[in-house]
Amino acid sequence: GAVVSQHPSRVICKSGTSVKIECRSLDFQATTMFWYRQFPKQSLMLMATSNEGSKATYEQGVEKDKFLINHASLTLSTLTVTSAHPEDSSFYICSARDYNFHNYEQYFGPGTRLTVT
Amino acid sequence: SQELEQSPQSLIVQEGKNLTINCTSSKTLYGLYWYKQKYGEGLIFLMMLQKGGEEKSHEKITAKLDEKKQQSSLHITASQPSHAGIYLCGAEPDTGRRALTFGSGTRLQVQP
Repeated sequence: GAVVSQHPSRVICKSGTSVKIECRSLDFQATTMFWYRQFPKQSLMLMATSNEGSKATYEQGVEKDKFLINHASLTLSTLTVTSAHPEDSSFYICSARDYNFHNYEQYFGPGTRLTVT
Repeated sequence: SQELEQSPQSLIVQEGKNLTINCTSSKTLYGLYWYKQKYGEGLIFLMMLQKGGEEKSHEKITAKLDEKKQQSSLHITASQPSHAGIYLCGAEPDTGRRALTFGSGTRLQVQP
């Protein structure tokens, strides 16, 4: 079946540094990918919609200058957490939908755990 | 915006027992997804329901969507320790945006 990968799976960084997380669709093209954030014992919250070749659409309350999203190709979206702070520590998950509109399944990546010290 | 409420928030059952998890939406659902998540891991797709009254089964898990498309239930028959995890319902709003709104999750423990 379709697979979405994320890299890295875990990252620890110091406060003030930037971290890039990659999301790849491995065997299908994804014009749209989604980035979610999950805090411990909480559900997934949509952060932004990543659109190939255009600007991302951010949810209310999500700072676009802090969470930079680039969707440069049909198989890759990146999320860069700039000037990370301890409160940005979270589990980040991306998802992608098959380019074929009739395929309703949405595939999720395995997630990236970010810890900011 | 669409809100999903899941109940119960947590559940502990003895192995072999049946259980039901509910997901209620504040708005009519265009699509309702059920996922399972192990803590700190990605989501595993279980089932997707779209039509009012629809019911789907996979192994010992059955999901239903009510006729009004505002409530779904997930039923596990003869639970096993492998069923333990966090169950999340996700709703697709009828906007074509395709992003999912998730419920708060139900944490299931199955005791041997």
